[in-house]
This record gives sequence, C-alpha cells and structure tokens, in this order.
Amino acid sequence: KQEVTQIPAALSVPEGENLVLNCSFTDSAIYNLQWFRQDPGKGLTSLLLIQSSQREQTSGRLNASLDKSSGRSTLYIAASQPGDSATYLCAVPTDSWGKLQFGAGTQVVVTP
Amino acid sequence: SAVISQKPSRDICQRGTSLTIQCQVDSQVTMMFWYRQQPGQSLTLIATANQGSEATYESGFVIDKFPISRPNLTFSTLTVSNMSPEDSSIYLCSVVDQGRGTGELFFGEGSRLTVL
Repeated sequence: KQEVTQIPAALSVPEGENLVLNCSFTDSAIYNLQWFRQDPGKGLTSLLLIQSSQREQTSGRLNASLDKSSGRSTLYIAASQPGDSATYLCAVPTDSWGKLQFGAGTQVVVTP
Repeated sequence: SAVISQKPSRDICQRGTSLTIQCQVDSQVTMMFWYRQQPGQSLTLIATANQGSEATYESGFVIDKFPISRPNLTFSTLTVSNMSPEDSSIYLCSVVDQGRGTGELFFGEGSRLTVL
C-alpha cells in the first residue's frame, strides 16, 4: 500500500526566505505526483503536477523536483511572502486517476 | 482547468439529520470524486461517481451513509445521512482534467459541515 509522508509538519520562516518542503512515497511506481495548497477551511488548489517521466516542474516562484528511484519530491518556494502561508499537500495516484493518496501536509507560516 | 462549484460552502447541522452537497463542473467529465477531510487530518477518498452507474465506494464508506447521485456529466450530489458529530468535516468534490491527459486532479472549494 502506498504511503505518503511530508516533512516537516510545520514550518515558520521570515518573509523573503526560501521554503523547502519534502514529500516521500513508499512505492516508486507512480504515474505522477501533484502538489496542492490549502488555505484554512477551504478546498485545494493545484500548484504543480510532475509526470513520472519528468525530473522537475516550474511555475513562477514554485519549483518541484521528483526522484522516483528514491521516492522523493521537493517543493521549493522562492522568496516567500506572507501570502504563501497555507498548508501544502503532496499526493500520488493509487490504482487509477483521481484516487489519490495524500500526505498529511506541511503547514507554512511566513511572517512579515 | 475545470471550474468546480460546491453548495453549500458551510453548514451547521443537527445530529440525526441528513444534508445533500451539490457539485457542479463547467465541463463534461467522466468521473467525479468525493473526498472527506476530518479536522486536522488529510484527505480520504469516499467514492468515485460515474455517470449512468452506481458510485464505487472505498473501504470504510457505505452507500446507506453516503448516497451519491450522478445524473449527468457535469453534476453530482453527495448526501451525508443520519449525521453525528463524527461527520463534522470538509467534503470536497474533485475531477480529473481529461483534456490534458495528465491525470491532474482539481478540487472544489469544499463544503464545511459542523454537526452538533
């Protein structure tokens, strides 16, 4: 059974610092890996999706890397801003599209 | 990306009652997914809703408790029946972006239920 772990569980940084969020998974036979952002009490916003054939994906200040062989993905957020404060979740499909196994998330606070 | 609307966005319910959550998508999709997020927890898949057939439920979830309808390719409902305080959660509707063929999943804003 696929297990997804996110470290650290919580992170607090001053504005302007770079953020590094880690995600690990036990079964390397994944189709893709997706990073989400969740604001308190709200739904999920898709940030980046990395296909299994890709090593990294970038969108603005966000960069996600994928190392399937070691079962790891890392989300980098450059020059953090208070608006980046949220919970970040990673997830991988289990046996079909739409059926995702989620990590517990990393709660990020960026202080002004 | 698909635009997904959920109603209600939040509600406070009494123990023993039932509530139906609606999910509307701005494009036709084959499969829709319902997830639950209990307080302080990550997301768990409840069921997959296919148009024209019964929903497929994950282990630990049953149709009598969470009946699902899927009358067409843009709409689905999830009912939470005979609610107890343990059902207090955020319920989220999601769809796969079939157009891109990447398997990317998109979520609605969620329906936050509090059961007293």
